[in-house]
Amino acid sequence: GESVGLHLPTLSVQEGDNSIINCAYSNSASDYFIWYKQESGKGPQFIIDIRSNMDKRQGQRVTVLLNKTVKHLSLQIAATQPGDSAVYFCAENGGSQGNLIFGKGTKLSVKP
Amino acid sequence: GAVVSQHPSRVICKSGTSVKIECRSLDFQATTMFWYRQFPKQSLMLMATSNEGSKATYEQGVEKDKFLINHASLTLSTLTVTSAHPEDSSFYICSARANSANEKLFFGSGTQLSVL
Repeated sequence: GESVGLHLPTLSVQEGDNSIINCAYSNSASDYFIWYKQESGKGPQFIIDIRSNMDKRQGQRVTVLLNKTVKHLSLQIAATQPGDSAVYFCAENGGSQGNLIFGKGTKLSVKP
Repeated sequence: GAVVSQHPSRVICKSGTSVKIECRSLDFQATTMFWYRQFPKQSLMLMATSNEGSKATYEQGVEKDKFLINHASLTLSTLTVTSAHPEDSSFYICSARANSANEKLFFGSGTQLSVL
């Protein structure tokens, strides 16, 4: 199930199940979106990206969906594995300095 | 893929000392580097943007005299936390972009700063 902690929402899933992580982005002018995975004590690791002219993009075991109408992104992970346990951030390219703006993040915990 | 090296990965220092963090793009020239700060269980927050050969642009609330950024070459940017205090303890992450036409950012592995 999903819960919201003090700062970081947590999603707990059983190994082998599919995971869906959601994100609301802030800038309607953003046209490029990325999902990152961050393990404890490490920098963000690129997972998948999507441009605003697309609604869906698939990678290996991951799919990103973009709904521009409601400014919503989701990351779907198929057959979730213990190694997928991490914090997942969405990011958009709407920063005034050409920087990425990061969402709040979701902690994914995979139970064996 | 492009590699960004950040060093050191972890530093513990006494209050009042200065700490320098290096960020290097190993296989590409980074016209722009971004410095982010991340507190526990929180997201990455942009501190400043540095372009090679020019002064860094700081985000609101980030003291430029405390967080000195130097981007002297196309492969190296440094962040110096001057007169560090316990409240500066955080995870600092750099990222680099090859050019303005390429939106993809590459991240360093981060530096955990602990100020005693």
